Amino acid sequence: DIQMTQSPSSLSASVGDRVTITCRASQDISNYLAWFQQKPGKAPKSLIYAASSLQSGVPSKFSGSGSGTDFTLTISSLQPEDFATYYCQQYNVYPYTFGQGTKLEIK
Amino acid sequence: EVQLVESGGGLVQPGRSLRLSCAASGLTFDDYAMHWVRQTPGKGLEWLSGISYNSGSIGYADSVKGRFTISRDNAKNSLFLQMTSLRAEDTALYYCVKDMSTEWHDGPFHIWGQGTMVTVSS
Repeated sequence: DIQMTQSPSSLSASVGDRVTITCRASQDISNYLAWFQQKPGKAPKSLIYAASSLQSGVPSKFSGSGSGTDFTLTISSLQPEDFATYYCQQYNVYPYTFGQGTKLEIK
Repeated sequence: EVQLVESGGGLVQPGRSLRLSCAASGLTFDDYAMHWVRQTPGKGLEWLSGISYNSGSIGYADSVKGRFTISRDNAKNSLFLQMTSLRAEDTALYYCVKDMSTEWHDGPFHIWGQGTMVTVSS
């Protein structure tokens, strides 16, 4: 199975900050990479697919980049509603696998 | 608005069976592949199974292959997961997920239901 490794596992930031989360795949997945946001007690919400395509309705403050094995999710101008856990997922090779999550907390 | 509502979770003894359902609304259900994903505090998010728009193609994770069966009823806009020989390690929150594609092995995940909790314990 492809291992997805996110870093950092947790991150403290302030309102207004710009943050970047990294996801590394254990083998080449081209651009078959998605990012999800999950708030406590809620289901994951799709933010980005195909590494850099924004889901409909997702604000442009979220952006994704990368291909092959290394990917990033950048969130600009953090607002209180952005503090959540973020997951990456590869859908290039079955079985689909997720990163362990990055918890973004308010400093 | 697309809505996916799971049901059927609960407390079940090891070795027993349970059937989860997912009712879909606000979309043309038979245009999309669907998946089941579970989440635990320890193992995180785990993809379990996917089914194509017309049930023509199905896939399973090794952890549930031979024990779980995915199916769908397009006439009733419903997705199912029949779980047998349940184990303590199957205890999790189970999500129904809509794909963006017609084939389960093609597209990214899109919309998630709110989940239904399954607890396997004697």
